[in-house]
Amino acid sequence: AQSVTQPDIHITVSEGASLELRCNYSYGATPYLFWYVQSPGQGLQLLLKYFSGDTLVQGIKGFEAEFKRSQSSFNLRKPSVHWSDAAEYFCAVGAQGGSEKLVFGKGTKLTVNP
Amino acid sequence: DSGVTQTPKHLITATGQRVTLRCSPRSGDLSVYWYQQSLDQGLQFLIQYYNGEERAKGNILERFSAQQFPDLHSELNLSSLELGDSALYFCASSVGRNTGELFFGEGSRLTVL
Repeated sequence: AQSVTQPDIHITVSEGASLELRCNYSYGATPYLFWYVQSPGQGLQLLLKYFSGDTLVQGIKGFEAEFKRSQSSFNLRKPSVHWSDAAEYFCAVGAQGGSEKLVFGKGTKLTVNP
Repeated sequence: DSGVTQTPKHLITATGQRVTLRCSPRSGDLSVYWYQQSLDQGLQFLIQYYNGEERAKGNILERFSAQQFPDLHSELNLSSLELGDSALYFCASSVGRNTGELFFGEGSRLTVL
């Protein structure tokens, strides 16, 4: 079964600083990988996804993520954080061509200081 | 707005009671998923329905049940409620039965007193 680890429970950055949120997954084959964002009181919104092909994927709101098979990682990055990026971020892994469910990490809460 | 509608948004009830959470998927989506989000367990997959049939089952308790109706809306029934069932329950939908791209509703917050 697949699993996801987000090592950082809480990260604080200053507005304008760069951001990297870590995600490590465990899955025996090539996974589907996702990043979702949850703002307070809201549901989860898809930021970006990796299915195959180019290992650097671009998402909405200026986010990108890189799939590194050798490190079983799918870290999320943004070059310059805005105050509105404060939210909780979830990495998720799904199985290609098989299981339909997504397994989520426990999330990383991002605080942005002015 | 994801297009997924969940009702009610908030629900407060007592232990031992039964509640029903409702979900309307995005137009055209055939799959509905239920997730439970709590502080200690994070987001836990409960169950998936595809076009009216149960497709996948996760960590769903026997006290919980779900169904998807012919109009594709879904209901999650929680019975014999316990304090530990207090959580945010999310519904998500997707077009197919194997795609991982899920569209989430805003959730139903259940408080069991």
